[in-house]
Amino acid sequence: GAVVSQHPSWVICKSGTSVKIECRSLDFQATTMFWYRQFPKQSLMLMATSNEGSKATYEQGVEKDKFLINHASLTLSTLTVTSAHPEDSSFYICSASQGQGWGQPQHFGDGTRLSIL
Amino acid sequence: AQTVTQSQPEMSVQEAETVTLSCTYDTSESDYYLFWYKQPPSRQMILVIRQEAYKQQNATENRFSVNFQKAAKSFSLKISDSQLGDAAMYFCAWETTDSWGKLQFGAGTQVVVTP
Repeated sequence: GAVVSQHPSWVICKSGTSVKIECRSLDFQATTMFWYRQFPKQSLMLMATSNEGSKATYEQGVEKDKFLINHASLTLSTLTVTSAHPEDSSFYICSASQGQGWGQPQHFGDGTRLSIL
Repeated sequence: AQTVTQSQPEMSVQEAETVTLSCTYDTSESDYYLFWYKQPPSRQMILVIRQEAYKQQNATENRFSVNFQKAAKSFSLKISDSQLGDAAMYFCAWETTDSWGKLQFGAGTQVVVTP
C-alpha cells in the first residue's frame, strides 16, 4: 500500500529557531501534498497545499512567511516553521494521494509533534 | 460556509456491540466525496470508508458501514461487532469537486470500547 513517511516524529526546540519537517511518499509519486495542523483534542485544519515545482497555496489565515513549504521533487515536501514561538507548538500532519483526480483516499504521515519552549 | 458537524464528542460501546456515529454537513454542491477516518492513540490517520455522493448505495467495509442520506445531508458510520482495536477518534470528512484533495474534517468523535 501507499506509504507516507514524516520526519521527525517529535521535535523540541527553543523559541526563535526554525524547524523543518519532511514529508515523503515512499512508493509513489505525489505532485500534490497537503499539510494539516492539529491542536490537542481538536480536529485537523488544512494549512496549505504543496505543489511540486510551484508555489504552495495557503488557506486563509495561515501565514505563508511563517510556514514555508517547498515541494522540490515528486516524493518530498518540506514544511519549515520559521522563528518558531510557543504558540506554534502543535501536531503537524502531511498527506498525499496515490491516484490522480478527486475522491482519492489520502495517505497520511505519522505526524510531527512540535514543542517550542 | 460549508461545514461538517459531528455532534457526539464521545461514544462508548461494549465489545461485540454496535455503535453509530453521526455526521452532518452543509453544502450546496451536488457532487462530492465523504470519508470516515480513524485516528488511534498513535495519531496515524487511517481511512475507514468513503462514499461518493452520486452513488446511492451505502458503502461497506467489513464491520464498517455508512448510512448516507443525501437529501438530509447525513453520513453516519456504523461499527458492528466492536473490537478493542476500534477505540480511536473518528473524523468525518469531505472533499468537493473544486477542492481536489483538500479534506474538511468534523470535530471528531472519541469511541471508547469496553470489555
